[in-house]
This record gives sequence, structure tokens and C-alpha cells, in this order.
Amino acid sequence: QQQVKQSPQSLIVQKGGISIINCAYENTAFDYFPWYQQFPGKGPALLIAIRPDVSEKKEGRFTISFNKSAKQFSLHIMDSQPGDSATYFCAASMRSNYQLIWGAGTKLIIKP
Amino acid sequence: DGGITQSPKYLFRKEGQNVTLSCEQNLNHDAMYWYRQDPGQGLRLIYYSQIVNDFQKGDIAEGYSVSREKKESFPLTVTSAQKNPTAFYLCASSPGLAESSYEQYFGPGTRLTVT
Repeated sequence: QQQVKQSPQSLIVQKGGISIINCAYENTAFDYFPWYQQFPGKGPALLIAIRPDVSEKKEGRFTISFNKSAKQFSLHIMDSQPGDSATYFCAASMRSNYQLIWGAGTKLIIKP
Repeated sequence: DGGITQSPKYLFRKEGQNVTLSCEQNLNHDAMYWYRQDPGQGLRLIYYSQIVNDFQKGDIAEGYSVSREKKESFPLTVTSAQKNPTAFYLCASSPGLAESSYEQYFGPGTRLTVT
């Protein structure tokens, strides 16, 4: 029940296309859902995050869509660029312990 | 320049030796975390600390030890009891309970190789 399932494991998208990464969770106590971006050899960096009281959050080319009833959330990268090539992690947390439960990650490659 | 520093970036050790990885933050965050990342894998929590002089085991604490004597420092010791210590180790911090914040900020990581 603590798991966050992320898919796909890897993704190749043409430059200018839309990249979509999905995550699903079981624990309805989760109330914070961030996405992190990690470049090779670096630590992850917070990209965008959402709370369950909204269904969508947009920051530039990055959008989180959140479906509370389906217990799913996804990251959309519009107009994908080669510089977006990285590994993306979704995560979830609950107020009681402030730990993040991590998805397994998606390696995204944007082809020029 | 605020942030989290981890040193060294690369560390090589012989099997059977204990090794300590450094993590320092100047963000005045209450909570600190240690993760392990294996190639092509996600992040697995080793230990975390929400306040000075207190820490809890994560999912894979066996073979590791930590201390939290100062708010800004959270060193991780990889002991000889850890069966597969070669990995990328990431330290993170978050404001924690004081600011009701979940956001974790990561250091650049230490790549440990044990032969």
C-alpha cells in the first residue's frame, strides 16, 4: 500500500513532441505528489509538485495531471527538448511522517 | 550560497573497511535523509533524521550507521557488514516539521566503489 508504481521504465520522444510519464498509488493518505528530474551523476532536483485538492498544475512546459478517484498522476512535458533528457521520478508523501515514497524512475530520451 | 554538500564525489575502498560519507547543509533544515541509488534504479531510503540527536532506520539500514550531532551535518558510515556497498549515495534535507514542508533538496551525491 506504500508503493508508487511508475511507468514506463524508459521513453523515447522526438524533439517537439509530448512526453508523458504515469504514476499510480494505493494509499489514500498521500497528500503531496512531487516530480523530480535527475541528470546522470547528479542528485535529483524538484521539478513540480501537486496536492490532491487540484486536478492540474502547470509550470512552463511541465504539467502534472492528477486523478484522485483513479489514484493516478502524470507528468506531461510539452515541446520536449534534448535538454529534457534525464531520469524522472514521481513520489508521494503524507503529512504524518514527511517521508517520500519513490517511483522506480523513467529514463527519458529526446531525439533531435 | 545555500545548499547541500557531499564529499568526496568519488570514493574507493577495499572490502572490509568502514567508510564515512559526509553530508552538510546550510539551509537550516530540520530533516535530513540518506538514500542509496543503484544503476538504473530508484532511490532507497537508508536512514533519516527529523531532528538533532534523533534518527530512524529506512528501508535498507542494515550495514549502515548515522549520527546527527549537529543540525547541519548527517554523516553516513558504510560498515563492512554491508554486503554490496558499491552504489551512488545521495543526501537530502527538507524543512521538515517546523515548516510542514515535504520538499527534499538533494546534494550532488557520492559514488562509492568497494573492491
